[in-house]
Amino acid sequence: GAVVSQHPSRVICKSGTSVKIECRSLDFQATTMFWYRQFPKQSLMLMATSNEGSKATYEQGVEKDKFLINHASLTLSTLTVTSAHPEDSSFYICSATRDTGELFFGEGSRLTVL
Amino acid sequence: QQQVKQSPQSLIVQKGGISIINCAYENTAFDYFPWYQQFPGKGPALLIAIRPDVSEKKEGRFTISFNKSAKQFSLHIMDSQPGDSATYFCAASKNFNKFYFGSGTKLNVKP
Repeated sequence: GAVVSQHPSRVICKSGTSVKIECRSLDFQATTMFWYRQFPKQSLMLMATSNEGSKATYEQGVEKDKFLINHASLTLSTLTVTSAHPEDSSFYICSATRDTGELFFGEGSRLTVL
Repeated sequence: QQQVKQSPQSLIVQKGGISIINCAYENTAFDYFPWYQQFPGKGPALLIAIRPDVSEKKEGRFTISFNKSAKQFSLHIMDSQPGDSATYFCAASKNFNKFYFGSGTKLNVKP
């Protein structure tokens, strides 16, 4: 299957700082990437759809100024959690669709805000 | 409105048994139905997927049954093994533009 790499896998930061999470498609070009948030024992909540070369489309209720998404190339999308607070602590997962349409996920990033 | 409903929330199966997880969807325009397997602390991994033009797809011990008229699809895991213990998510998509996920089923296969 296709490989989507996400980094870092774990990050701990102080309240008020910003954290950047990278998502790379390693063996295919992804014009569309998705960012999800997952709370413990819950399903995946779509945060935004990231399209290469254009602005991300955010789901209702997701603060675009809080969660900055950049899709600078066909293989890289980044999620920056700005001025992070403890309530932003969560498991963030990116995914990418390849040309066949199949959706592949990264390994996820566990963010803990102290 | 929840686009994809999944049941049961949790499932316990003995080793060698059959695990069955069910999903129902609302939008008849959905044309792609994948299943994902997620282990704790990891991202979901694509397990198997089906398009609505077939009623069944089998890959190894994993089978998807699809009932278009009932708007339901299910995952069957034959000869379930302890290593299959994970959380399973069904999903649905139209033209791969957006994926709607079920609430997940935590499967525990007892040795």
